Amino acid sequence: DSGVTQTPKHLITATGQRVTLRCSPRSGDLSVYWYQQSLDQGLQFLIQYYNGEERAKGNILERFSAQQFPDLHSELNLSSLELGDSALYFCASSVQGLGSYTFGSGTRLTVV
Amino acid sequence: DAKTTQPPSMDCAEGRAANLPCNHSTISGNEYVYWYRQIHSQGPQYIIHGLKNNETNEMASLIITEDRKSSTLILPHATLRDTAVYYCIVRTSSGNTPLVFGKGTRLSVIA
Repeated sequence: DSGVTQTPKHLITATGQRVTLRCSPRSGDLSVYWYQQSLDQGLQFLIQYYNGEERAKGNILERFSAQQFPDLHSELNLSSLELGDSALYFCASSVQGLGSYTFGSGTRLTVV
Repeated sequence: DAKTTQPPSMDCAEGRAANLPCNHSTISGNEYVYWYRQIHSQGPQYIIHGLKNNETNEMASLIITEDRKSSTLILPHATLRDTAVYYCIVRTSSGNTPLVFGKGTRLSVIA
């Protein structure tokens, strides 16, 4: 157990639907990062939050959004889902300023 | 822009040292070298990082050349459990710079 908790572990949904992925960071970590890993794209950085505020944005689609709540957990919302959104979604957390991220075990999203 | 170059794959015999090279010829003075690995669809795992001095921890050793243009991750006694994709990442210590993963090196440890 890395200390970063992601739920659900698996999710199967239909095209056009909306889903929410949840991440609880390791205790004491203020930064949360979201990554997408599909078979042909590798690990792609999506977005970073620090203590509730957005800090960096990567290749995140407009159909995707995220937020970090006062208790520091984060949610990634994916809407109008397409087949190509099928992927592993990882959350990571860190102490601000350090590169030693702790990753969760991921959510496997399958869009059918 | 790719900041690091790694061989796509390597093999290593079990019990032998695995030496994974990484080229980062455009590294800046304030950029660290980080190594992560990902074991088959699990979340990536932090291994080690360094600025200019060699570093060692319970998992591995990191050797950085004097000009800092390349580095080598050493797993001293590779086991089958070390089979994974290994990522070399160059990054500043700034909290606003996220880790950017390349394609990494797929290390296969063979019995």
